[in-house]
Amino acid sequence: GENVEQHPSTLSVQEGDSAVIKCTYSDSASNYFPWYKQELGKRPQLIIDIRSNVGEKKDQRIAVTLNKTAKHFSLHITETQPEDSAVYFCAASGGSQGNLIFGKGTKLSVKP
Amino acid sequence: ETGVTQSPTHLIKTRGQQVTLRCSSQSGHNTVSWYQQALGQGPQFIFQYYREEENGRGNFPPRFSGLQFPNYSSELNVNALELDDSALYLCASSSSGRTDTQYFGPGTRLTVL
Repeated sequence: GENVEQHPSTLSVQEGDSAVIKCTYSDSASNYFPWYKQELGKRPQLIIDIRSNVGEKKDQRIAVTLNKTAKHFSLHITETQPEDSAVYFCAASGGSQGNLIFGKGTKLSVKP
Repeated sequence: ETGVTQSPTHLIKTRGQQVTLRCSSQSGHNTVSWYQQALGQGPQFIFQYYREEENGRGNFPPRFSGLQFPNYSSELNVNALELDDSALYLCASSSSGRTDTQYFGPGTRLTVL
């Protein structure tokens, strides 16, 4: 079945810097890749997603890139702010099982 | 915030007991997926219901069972609770099938003593 690996597990940046989180997946049939932000004690919140028919998608300070050949996708946050501090999860679906398979998460800390 | 709601918010049970968790999907959504999130981990897929039928199941034993009602709300039942069942249980609703965007509810925190 699908396996999603996420790196790094923790990331600390200064306010205003960029942050990059990377994920790899194993099932070449996967075609949907969402990213969720989860603040402490709250629900995972969808922040951006990408489907396999595009290579990049942007939404203000957030962008996601997808390399289907290498089976990896990345989240890029520019001009980070303290409120970006949270745990970020990547996920993949659409393969043989079709459900969302999550990475283990990246704890992002943005220092003012 | 999404329109997905879950009840109860918190629950404490003892080993061997049974528990039922509830989820109301967002208006217009006919698919509910359930996930278990252990502390410090990503959510793990339990099963999905689409138009009242199970539409996929993760690597969870049969004591985890579910149901979806005609209004598309859903229940997760866990029998013979074990200490390792302590986790945050999340439901997510989507508009159709397996690969549509999923929106999560606030979760139910289950503690098994």
